[in-house]
Amino acid sequence: DAGVTQSPTHLIKTRGQQVTLRCSPKSGHDTVSWYQQALGQGPQFIFQYYEEEERQRGNFPDRFSGHQFPNYSSELNVNALLLGDSALYLCASSKARTSTDTQYFGPGTRLTVL
Amino acid sequence: GQQVMQIPQYQHVQEGEDFTTYCNSSTTLSNIQWYKQRPGGHPVFLIQLVKSGEVKKQKRLTFQFGEAKKNSSLHITATQTTDVGTYFCAGRGSEKLVFGKGTKLTVNP
Repeated sequence: DAGVTQSPTHLIKTRGQQVTLRCSPKSGHDTVSWYQQALGQGPQFIFQYYEEEERQRGNFPDRFSGHQFPNYSSELNVNALLLGDSALYLCASSKARTSTDTQYFGPGTRLTVL
Repeated sequence: GQQVMQIPQYQHVQEGEDFTTYCNSSTTLSNIQWYKQRPGGHPVFLIQLVKSGEVKKQKRLTFQFGEAKKNSSLHITATQTTDVGTYFCAGRGSEKLVFGKGTKLTVNP
């Protein structure tokens, strides 16, 4: 039973560039949430996708966008990268309409913006 | 918007000592979750509390949810070196799951 997978593991970009991060949810899960975790901080919610639509969004600018595919996998896109976008980007999957709310996190993508 | 505060930010203990981290939300929660993140790793789910006043135990870990469903605590009895990591609480309000900043636990053997 594969857990949540993310790619790439590490990425180095320069300011102004664009980046796409990818996530495959745990088998049986249909909901994907993306989080940004700066060094020494807790994960900050970016947005959540379910049934290929953005369902909830945190306090992130429009430069952050996403997509969910029919196989439930998801992408996070960040445009016009800023130095402050350097962080660990975590994908978490869950199953909608269940009694538990558990988020299963992937290993993350470490993004460095120079 | 909803805020989740967690204290202390850091805690260093001798192996065998107890450890407690506290979590407070600015709003009433539908549930609260606890996660552990090892150094260099990703958050791993520990437990979810839903009911007012709920107490759950996992071996040496005891989790409590306050009567008003706005605060929670995690207590570890007789810490071991394997307990090292950052413990996060995450509160679910009306919609989003909001994480605290975490308590980083180091254990001196």
